[in-house]
Amino acid sequence: QKEVEQNSGPLSVPEGAIASLNCTYSDRGSQSFFWYRQYSGKSPELIMFIYSNGDKEDGRFTAQLNKASQYVSLLIRDSQPSDSATYLCAVIQGAQKLVFGQGTRLTINP
Amino acid sequence: NAGVTQTPKFQVLKTGQSMTLQCAQDMNHNSMYWYRQDPGMGLRLIYYSASEGTTDKGEVPNGYNVSRLNKREFSLRLESAAPSQTSVYFCASSEASGGYEQYFGPGTRLTVT
Repeated sequence: QKEVEQNSGPLSVPEGAIASLNCTYSDRGSQSFFWYRQYSGKSPELIMFIYSNGDKEDGRFTAQLNKASQYVSLLIRDSQPSDSATYLCAVIQGAQKLVFGQGTRLTINP
Repeated sequence: NAGVTQTPKFQVLKTGQSMTLQCAQDMNHNSMYWYRQDPGMGLRLIYYSASEGTTDKGEVPNGYNVSRLNKREFSLRLESAAPSQTSVYFCASSEASGGYEQYFGPGTRLTVT
């Protein structure tokens, strides 16, 4: 079992709809969770982080964490074509390391 | 404020050649990281440096060495390049060890023939 798992997609969503990206992790002791966005040919950029169970909202983005189910998700409301990218879920493992999922490729269709 | 810079942006090597990838950050961060990214594999940690003067192996360290030259600079060396090391290499930095908010450089696209 991979430490951090994501559906690689591609996930296709119509413009204006809600895009839902999911991630599961294997280390029950993980405390911190991150979502990075990566445009094709570019480097990852941090868009959300969440440490506590529940929801965290930032503009059109909402991160959701359920530690009991070892599940973290990212919702993008009012999806725009500029949201088309690969979204990487990352989890801190132990004291030092950030472990990434393989990423979900999201396409927003105008 | 440049953030994290990497050189070179592109490099082609022949099998057995050596090279050093350079990384520098101007955010006064303590921790720095080297990752490689291959299609369908996500980002995998090669080495990291939690603070100046320390380095540790990540998930895929074989075939690589690192040097934390000072607080700003963290280099990655390939002593004898192999085709399996063809990848995109990213350097990142963060204020504290343990990942937290990592900021990435633009990447180096390396091809080994």
